[in-house]
Amino acid sequence: EVQLVESGGGLVQPGGSLRLSCAASGFTFSSYWMSWVRQAPGKGLEWVANIKQDGSEKYYVDSVKGRFTISRDNAKNSLYLQMNSLRAEDTAVYYCARDRTRGGNSDYFDYWGQGTLVTVSS
Amino acid sequence: SYVLTQPPSVSVAPGKTARITCGGNNIGSKSVHWYQQKPGQAPVLVIYYDSDRPSGIPERFSGSNSGNTATLTISRVEAGDEADYYCQVWDSSSDLRVFGGGTKLTVL
Repeated sequence: EVQLVESGGGLVQPGGSLRLSCAASGFTFSSYWMSWVRQAPGKGLEWVANIKQDGSEKYYVDSVKGRFTISRDNAKNSLYLQMNSLRAEDTAVYYCARDRTRGGNSDYFDYWGQGTLVTVSS
Repeated sequence: SYVLTQPPSVSVAPGKTARITCGGNNIGSKSVHWYQQKPGQAPVLVIYYDSDRPSGIPERFSGSNSGNTATLTISRVEAGDEADYYCQVWDSSSDLRVFGGGTKLTVL
């Protein structure tokens, strides 16, 4: 059974940093692109970033470029999101998701974790 | 960047058919994916590549895509289908994954 379990969320002050983790199990983690998707309270879904199987390619939404860094450790079946210079508008539930594609970069997300809440507030 | 437009809400009586639209410029040339999200839960994939259905998703869920509109159709709607539904595409020009704003399906 595919499982994605996020951790690392919490309350942080504006300008602060936080590192999210996603522990994957039930599939060959190193064979899949992986993404982070977020959802602000009461709002819709927003794709944040994704990373290729070997970590050689990474893509970000413009609003987090230069502040967030996605990474992975295939030996530990883990995905990470390092978030720096956090802003109030980064407040959201952050989901880890497995990407699927017919070839190349990801097309859609077939499994999602339960999410971890990040609150940026003074 | 590419914009996907969904109606904020759709209402339907039990047993009837619900249609949720997703509008975008020439969206028919892209692959559209749909997710269901119930309150307090993570999204669940219900349709991928316009009309394919993951295992475990009822046949009542179907999708189509042509021109400037993609449509998620839910036949014989049940109370348990009440949820938010999001469409999503990959915008090749920006290399971004884009979601629609979501549609709240209410079962009357």
